Amino acid sequence: NAGVTQTPKFRVLKTGQSMTLLCAQDMNHEYMYWYRQDPGMGLRLIHYSVGEGTTAKGEVPDGYNVSRLKKQNFLLGLESAAPSQTSVYFCATLPGGSRYGYTFGSGTRLTVV
Amino acid sequence: AQSVTQLDSHVSVSEGTPVLLRCNYSSSYSPSLFWYVQHPNKGLQLLLKYTSAATLVKGINGFEAEFKKSETSFHLTKPSAHMSDAAEYFCVVSDKGGYNKLIFGAGTRLAVHP
Repeated sequence: NAGVTQTPKFRVLKTGQSMTLLCAQDMNHEYMYWYRQDPGMGLRLIHYSVGEGTTAKGEVPDGYNVSRLKKQNFLLGLESAAPSQTSVYFCATLPGGSRYGYTFGSGTRLTVV
Repeated sequence: AQSVTQLDSHVSVSEGTPVLLRCNYSSSYSPSLFWYVQHPNKGLQLLLKYTSAATLVKGINGFEAEFKKSETSFHLTKPSAHMSDAAEYFCVVSDKGGYNKLIFGAGTRLAVHP
Protein backbone atom coordinates (compact mmCIF):
# COMPACT_ATOMS: atom_id res chain seq x y z
CA ASN A 1 0.00 0.00 0.00
CA ALA A 2 1.97 2.98 -1.27
CA GLY A 3 -0.49 5.78 -0.39
CA VAL A 4 0.39 8.79 -2.53
CA THR A 5 3.29 8.54 -4.97
CA GLN A 6 4.73 11.51 -6.82
CA THR A 7 6.96 11.14 -9.86
CA PRO A 8 9.52 12.32 -10.60
CA LYS A 9 11.15 13.30 -7.30
CA PHE A 10 13.61 15.72 -8.89
CA ARG A 11 13.77 17.41 -12.28
CA VAL A 12 15.74 20.19 -13.94
CA LEU A 13 14.11 21.87 -16.93
CA LYS A 14 15.24 24.51 -19.33
CA THR A 15 13.06 27.57 -19.82
CA GLY A 16 10.37 26.81 -22.38
CA GLN A 17 10.43 23.05 -21.96
CA SER A 18 7.34 21.13 -20.96
CA MET A 19 6.80 18.36 -18.47
CA THR A 20 4.14 16.49 -16.53
CA LEU A 21 4.17 15.66 -12.84
CA LEU A 22 2.22 12.59 -11.79
CA CYS A 23 0.39 12.06 -8.52
CA ALA A 24 -0.85 8.49 -8.09
CA GLN A 25 -2.91 7.22 -5.15
CA ASP A 26 -4.12 3.75 -4.23
CA MET A 27 -6.57 4.76 -1.47
CA ASN A 28 -9.61 5.50 -3.66
CA HIS A 29 -9.75 9.09 -2.39
CA GLU A 30 -12.15 11.41 -4.19
CA TYR A 31 -10.35 14.70 -3.72
CA MET A 32 -6.86 15.47 -4.99
CA TYR A 33 -4.86 18.70 -4.76
CA TRP A 34 -1.66 20.13 -6.20
CA TYR A 35 0.33 22.63 -4.11
CA ARG A 36 3.57 24.47 -4.63
CA GLN A 37 5.91 25.42 -1.81
CA ASP A 38 8.11 28.49 -1.94
CA PRO A 39 10.25 29.93 0.87
CA GLY A 40 8.34 32.18 3.20
CA MET A 41 5.00 31.51 1.53
CA GLY A 42 3.88 28.18 2.88
CA LEU A 43 2.06 25.94 0.42
CA ARG A 44 -0.25 27.47 -2.15
CA LEU A 45 -2.96 25.61 -4.04
CA ILE A 46 -2.47 25.36 -7.80
CA HIS A 47 -5.39 23.16 -8.94
CA TYR A 48 -7.62 20.56 -7.41
CA SER A 49 -10.07 17.83 -8.35
CA VAL A 50 -13.16 16.57 -6.55
CA GLY A 51 -13.57 13.47 -8.65
CA GLU A 52 -12.67 11.68 -11.85
CA GLY A 53 -13.02 13.98 -14.83
CA THR A 54 -13.25 17.19 -12.75
CA THR A 55 -10.68 19.91 -12.16
CA ALA A 56 -10.77 23.42 -10.74
CA LYS A 57 -8.39 26.34 -10.28
CA GLY A 58 -6.78 27.14 -6.99
CA GLU A 59 -4.92 30.19 -5.79
CA VAL A 60 -2.01 30.17 -8.28
CA PRO A 61 -3.14 28.32 -11.46
CA ASP A 62 -1.41 30.40 -14.15
CA GLY A 63 1.10 28.47 -16.24
CA TYR A 64 -0.23 25.06 -15.19
CA ASN A 65 -2.79 22.63 -16.52
CA VAL A 66 -4.19 19.51 -14.89
CA SER A 67 -6.11 16.41 -15.81
CA ARG A 68 -7.81 13.62 -13.90
CA LEU A 69 -8.83 11.06 -16.46
CA LYS A 70 -8.58 8.24 -13.93
CA LYS A 71 -9.62 8.51 -10.31
CA GLN A 72 -6.25 7.37 -9.02
CA ASN A 73 -4.11 9.78 -11.04
CA PHE A 74 -3.86 13.58 -11.00
CA LEU A 75 -1.47 15.08 -13.53
CA LEU A 76 0.07 18.55 -13.35
CA GLY A 77 1.45 19.93 -16.61
CA LEU A 78 3.79 22.77 -17.39
CA GLU A 79 3.48 23.63 -21.08
CA SER A 80 6.32 26.17 -21.21
CA ALA A 81 8.35 26.20 -18.03
CA ALA A 82 9.55 29.50 -16.55
CA PRO A 83 12.13 30.14 -13.81
CA SER A 84 9.26 31.39 -11.60
CA GLN A 85 7.98 27.82 -11.55
CA THR A 86 11.05 26.62 -9.71
CA SER A 87 9.50 25.17 -6.58
CA VAL A 88 8.69 22.06 -4.61
CA TYR A 89 5.38 20.54 -5.65
CA PHE A 90 3.22 18.49 -3.32
CA CYS A 91 0.18 16.40 -4.06
CA ALA A 92 -2.46 15.72 -1.42
CA THR A 93 -5.54 13.51 -1.32
CA LEU A 94 -8.68 13.36 0.83
CA PRO A 95 -11.53 10.88 1.02
CA GLY A 96 -14.88 12.28 -0.07
CA GLY A 97 -16.90 13.41 2.95
CA SER A 98 -13.83 13.54 5.19
CA ARG A 99 -12.63 16.71 6.87
CA TYR A 100 -9.38 15.43 8.32
CA GLY A 101 -7.92 12.45 6.49
CA TYR A 102 -5.41 14.16 4.23
CA THR A 103 -2.46 12.25 2.80
CA PHE A 104 0.51 14.02 1.22
CA GLY A 105 3.01 12.81 -1.30
CA SER A 106 6.72 13.24 -0.67
CA GLY A 107 7.10 16.08 -3.14
CA THR A 108 8.77 16.88 -6.47
CA ARG A 109 11.63 19.36 -6.53
CA LEU A 110 11.60 21.22 -9.86
CA THR A 111 14.27 23.63 -11.01
CA VAL A 112 13.80 25.68 -14.17
CA VAL A 113 16.99 27.22 -15.53
CA ALA B 1 -12.95 33.27 3.45
CA GLN B 2 -10.58 31.19 5.48
CA SER B 3 -7.08 32.40 6.25
CA VAL B 4 -4.20 31.64 8.57
CA THR B 5 -1.58 33.94 10.05
CA GLN B 6 1.53 32.61 11.73
CA LEU B 7 2.74 35.43 13.88
CA ASP B 8 6.44 34.58 13.89
CA SER B 9 8.52 33.63 10.87
CA HIS B 10 11.43 32.50 13.06
CA VAL B 11 11.56 31.27 16.65
CA SER B 12 14.76 30.38 18.47
CA VAL B 13 14.84 28.47 21.77
CA SER B 14 17.39 26.66 23.89
CA GLU B 15 17.19 22.92 24.29
CA GLY B 16 15.03 22.02 27.29
CA THR B 17 13.04 25.28 27.26
CA PRO B 18 9.38 25.64 26.23
CA VAL B 19 8.28 26.15 22.65
CA LEU B 20 5.43 28.45 21.60
CA LEU B 21 4.50 28.86 17.94
CA ARG B 22 1.60 31.24 17.40
CA CYS B 23 -1.22 30.91 14.89
CA ASN B 24 -4.37 32.94 14.33
CA TYR B 25 -7.07 31.89 11.93
CA SER B 26 -10.08 33.35 10.20
CA SER B 27 -12.96 31.09 9.29
CA SER B 28 -16.62 31.45 8.41
CA TYR B 29 -17.28 27.96 9.69
CA SER B 30 -16.39 25.91 12.71
CA PRO B 31 -12.83 25.34 11.56
CA SER B 32 -10.77 22.24 11.00
CA LEU B 33 -7.24 23.15 12.05
CA PHE B 34 -3.94 21.35 11.71
CA TRP B 35 -0.27 21.70 12.53
CA TYR B 36 2.26 20.13 10.15
CA VAL B 37 6.01 19.89 10.54
CA GLN B 38 8.61 19.75 7.78
CA HIS B 39 12.20 18.81 8.47
CA PRO B 40 14.84 20.03 6.02
CA ASN B 41 14.41 18.53 2.56
CA LYS B 42 11.63 16.29 3.81
CA GLY B 43 7.90 16.01 3.26
CA LEU B 44 5.06 17.15 5.51
CA GLN B 45 4.23 15.30 8.71
CA LEU B 46 0.98 15.81 10.61
CA LEU B 47 1.61 16.85 14.20
CA LEU B 48 -2.00 17.22 15.34
CA LYS B 49 -5.49 18.19 14.25
CA TYR B 50 -8.45 19.95 15.84
CA THR B 51 -11.66 18.05 15.22
CA SER B 52 -13.93 19.95 17.68
CA ALA B 53 -13.93 16.99 20.08
CA ALA B 54 -11.70 18.82 22.58
CA THR B 55 -10.15 22.26 22.68
CA LEU B 56 -6.78 20.96 23.91
CA VAL B 57 -5.32 18.71 21.27
CA LYS B 58 -2.37 16.43 21.92
CA GLY B 59 -0.13 15.45 19.07
CA ILE B 60 3.01 13.51 18.42
CA ASN B 61 6.43 14.12 19.96
CA GLY B 62 5.01 15.95 22.98
CA PHE B 63 3.38 18.79 21.05
CA GLU B 64 -0.05 20.11 21.85
CA ALA B 65 -2.27 22.97 20.72
CA GLU B 66 -5.21 24.77 22.25
CA PHE B 67 -8.17 25.95 20.21
CA LYS B 68 -9.46 29.29 21.51
CA LYS B 69 -12.51 30.42 19.61
CA SER B 70 -12.76 33.78 21.37
CA GLU B 71 -9.20 34.63 20.34
CA THR B 72 -9.34 32.80 16.97
CA SER B 73 -6.04 31.20 17.90
CA PHE B 74 -4.52 27.73 17.67
CA HIS B 75 -1.04 28.07 19.20
CA LEU B 76 1.36 25.13 19.25
CA THR B 77 3.33 24.39 22.40
CA LYS B 78 5.82 21.91 23.79
CA PRO B 79 7.12 21.95 27.36
CA SER B 80 10.73 21.10 26.55
CA ALA B 81 12.43 21.52 23.19
CA HIS B 82 14.72 18.87 21.73
CA MET B 83 17.36 19.42 19.10
CA SER B 84 15.34 17.18 16.78
CA ASP B 85 12.44 19.66 16.90
CA ALA B 86 14.35 22.08 14.67
CA ALA B 87 12.17 22.30 11.56
CA GLU B 88 9.55 24.42 9.84
CA TYR B 89 6.03 24.33 11.22
CA PHE B 90 2.85 25.14 9.34
CA CYS B 91 -0.53 26.06 10.76
CA VAL B 92 -3.29 25.03 8.37
CA VAL B 93 -7.05 25.53 8.12
CA SER B 94 -9.41 23.53 5.97
CA ASP B 95 -11.77 25.48 3.71
CA LYS B 96 -14.97 23.57 4.40
CA GLY B 97 -16.96 25.74 2.07
CA GLY B 98 -14.56 25.04 -0.77
CA TYR B 99 -14.08 21.29 -1.07
CA ASN B 100 -11.89 21.15 2.02
CA LYS B 101 -8.95 22.85 0.37
CA LEU B 102 -6.12 23.30 2.86
CA ILE B 103 -4.97 26.86 3.44
CA PHE B 104 -1.44 27.10 4.82
CA GLY B 105 0.20 29.73 6.92
CA ALA B 106 3.56 31.05 5.76
CA GLY B 107 5.40 28.86 8.24
CA THR B 108 7.53 29.31 11.35
CA ARG B 109 11.10 28.12 11.36
CA LEU B 110 12.09 26.78 14.76
CA ALA B 111 15.75 26.76 15.71
CA VAL B 112 16.87 24.86 18.82
CA HIS B 113 20.23 25.73 20.36
CA PRO B 114 22.26 23.57 22.74
